[in-house]
Amino acid sequence: KAGVTQTPRYLIKTRGQQVTLSCSPISGHRSVSWYQQTPGQGLQFLFEYFSETQRNKGNFPGRFSGRQFSNSRSEMNVSTLELGDSALYLCASSLEGGRNQPQHFGDGTRLSIL
Amino acid sequence: AQTVTQSQPEMSVQEAETVTLSCTYDTSESDYYLFWYKQPPSRQMILVIRQEAYKQQNATENRFSVNFQKAAKSFSLKISDSQLGDAAMYFCAYRTNSGYALNFGKGTSLLVTP
Repeated sequence: KAGVTQTPRYLIKTRGQQVTLSCSPISGHRSVSWYQQTPGQGLQFLFEYFSETQRNKGNFPGRFSGRQFSNSRSEMNVSTLELGDSALYLCASSLEGGRNQPQHFGDGTRLSIL
Repeated sequence: AQTVTQSQPEMSVQEAETVTLSCTYDTSESDYYLFWYKQPPSRQMILVIRQEAYKQQNATENRFSVNFQKAAKSFSLKISDSQLGDAAMYFCAYRTNSGYALNFGKGTSLLVTP
């Protein structure tokens, strides 16, 4: 069974631009979560989607948004990029997002802002 | 605020020896789930072991075991017979029964020496 796939693997953007990251969950998984990982702040939760609905959102500005499609694939969008948005963005999937269900992570997208 | 503290930024262990990574957490909830994830340089977060807070028995997965002390809010990871492939960042995380997000600690970098 294929794992969680994130594209692209690396991305370089400049301040003020916008970016879209993609995540394909493990087949059959309907819950997708996004995390931002930086050296200073560590791993921080962005949001979680289940059946195309955002169920939970972390403490990030409105520039960070996401969506989930009917096939459970998810995209994350960041608008008006800032230098501080440079990070590794990780996507994780689970069957239904249940609390005892482990989240399976992708390899992440490394976003660099110049 | 719900926090996870990993007090050891770096640890070192010799091959075949045993090492224990510390983790404490703070939550007001009584029902939650605890996890240890491993992140090698390849970036993918890999689930090592998980523990349900309502279970008194400590979880074990091959060479990995936990010491769960609910009253002390402590969740340490013991790695026995350490191998070179165990070298990675280790993150402690928990998820409450009322939330979907994983709350992560800052991580412990484990070095394994021959």
